[in-house]
Amino acid sequence: AQTVTQSQPEMSVQEAETVTLSCTYDTSESDYYLFWYKQPPSRQMILVIRQEAYKQQNATENRFSVNFQKAAKSFSLKISDSQLGDAAMYFCAYRSYGSSNTGKLIFGQGTTLQVKP
Amino acid sequence: EAGVTQFPSHSVIEKGQTVTLRCDPISGHDNLYWYRRVMGKEIKFLLHFVKESKQDESGMPNNRFLAERTGGTYSTLKVQPAELEDSGVYFCASSQKEGKGFRTTEAFFGQGTRLTVV
Repeated sequence: AQTVTQSQPEMSVQEAETVTLSCTYDTSESDYYLFWYKQPPSRQMILVIRQEAYKQQNATENRFSVNFQKAAKSFSLKISDSQLGDAAMYFCAYRSYGSSNTGKLIFGQGTTLQVKP
Repeated sequence: EAGVTQFPSHSVIEKGQTVTLRCDPISGHDNLYWYRRVMGKEIKFLLHFVKESKQDESGMPNNRFLAERTGGTYSTLKVQPAELEDSGVYFCASSQKEGKGFRTTEAFFGQGTRLTVV
């Protein structure tokens, strides 16, 4: 069975600095996607960034980028130039597109990010 | 375009009572998912609808939970009777239909319903 682990329950960063959130996963499949979702307080979860397992190049979306280490099964999120609006809970998630593809996401435990002014 | 909406946003009920959560997906999305996050743990999958059909309900914890999706539009999740361990945040998500050569890689989430059973 696939699993996703986020080992940092809480992180904090100074405004304008850079922070990295960690995520590891376990799977025996080769066809999958990894995601980072952001949930601000009392608001809906939104997709921050996605990475296809077949692509070696790390995904980037503006100030958000990932470090995808497929062999190590690691998928960290880097937030550059942190802003107050980045404060939220961040969830790492996995979805199979292989034999066990049911469309469901498998989530980590979440990391609460605090941004200090 | 309206996103995924969930009602109510909060619900506090007594043990043994019944609660019904509602999810309105994005119009035209065939896939609808229910997830739950209990007491700071990871978000866990409950079930998946494709239109009005239950595609996968392997995550439903027990028969006190009943999900329906009327006419392939909105969905309800009923908990009857509620127990203390049912407390948590219930999320709904929807995504487009997948087809040959087309993958859906983004699920859109509602804001969640926070259920507290006392």
